Amino acid sequence: NAGVTQTPKFQVLKTGQSMTLQCAQDMNHEYMSWYRQDPGMGLRLIHYSVGAGITDQGEVPNGYNVSRSTTEDFPLRLLSAAPSQTSVYFCASSYWGREGEQFFGPGTRLTVL
Amino acid sequence: TQLLEQSPQFLSIQEGENLTVYCNSSSVFSSLQWYRQEPGEGPVLLVTVVTGGEVKKLKRLTFQFGDARKDSSLHITAAQTGDTGLYLCAGAGGTSYGKLTFGQGTILTVHP
Repeated sequence: NAGVTQTPKFQVLKTGQSMTLQCAQDMNHEYMSWYRQDPGMGLRLIHYSVGAGITDQGEVPNGYNVSRSTTEDFPLRLLSAAPSQTSVYFCASSYWGREGEQFFGPGTRLTVL
Repeated sequence: TQLLEQSPQFLSIQEGENLTVYCNSSSVFSSLQWYRQEPGEGPVLLVTVVTGGEVKKLKRLTFQFGDARKDSSLHITAAQTGDTGLYLCAGAGGTSYGKLTFGQGTILTVHP
């Protein structure tokens, strides 16, 4: 199993550009989520999904869109990139349940100029 | 909004020393997880605690969940250079099983 994969690994955008961060998992997990990690702030939840066709907002959703058309894929779209969105983005997946271990991808380092 | 306060933010110690990392909140969590993250990689789960007062041991690491399920601690005995990394606590609250609230993280550096 590949686990959770993310592409690209690195990305540089100009302010106002749009892009999609890709995330895929091959563990048949119901739950998938996107986090951003900034120095001194741990990981903050952007959006999450409990299954195909179902998404909801996390703690910091503004400026981001998601969709979940399949169990495997959960892309994150930046509509109009801003310097405040410079961060490291992690996708995670897990089985649905309170003891569910979250499996994280390797991350995407995004810089918005 | 549930918050998790993790302390200390930075910890620099010599190999062989003991250390404790704390994770505190005013909110009750249904479970609490501890992750370790290496540079350039995603966090990896170390342990999940779900019962108030629970203590779990993983070799030299001891994890405790507070009786009221509002706080947790990670104790490392005789730290080794391989323990160096970012340690994150994460709480799952109420019925939001999959939604984790993360602490700010503790950067641990163990010097030889």
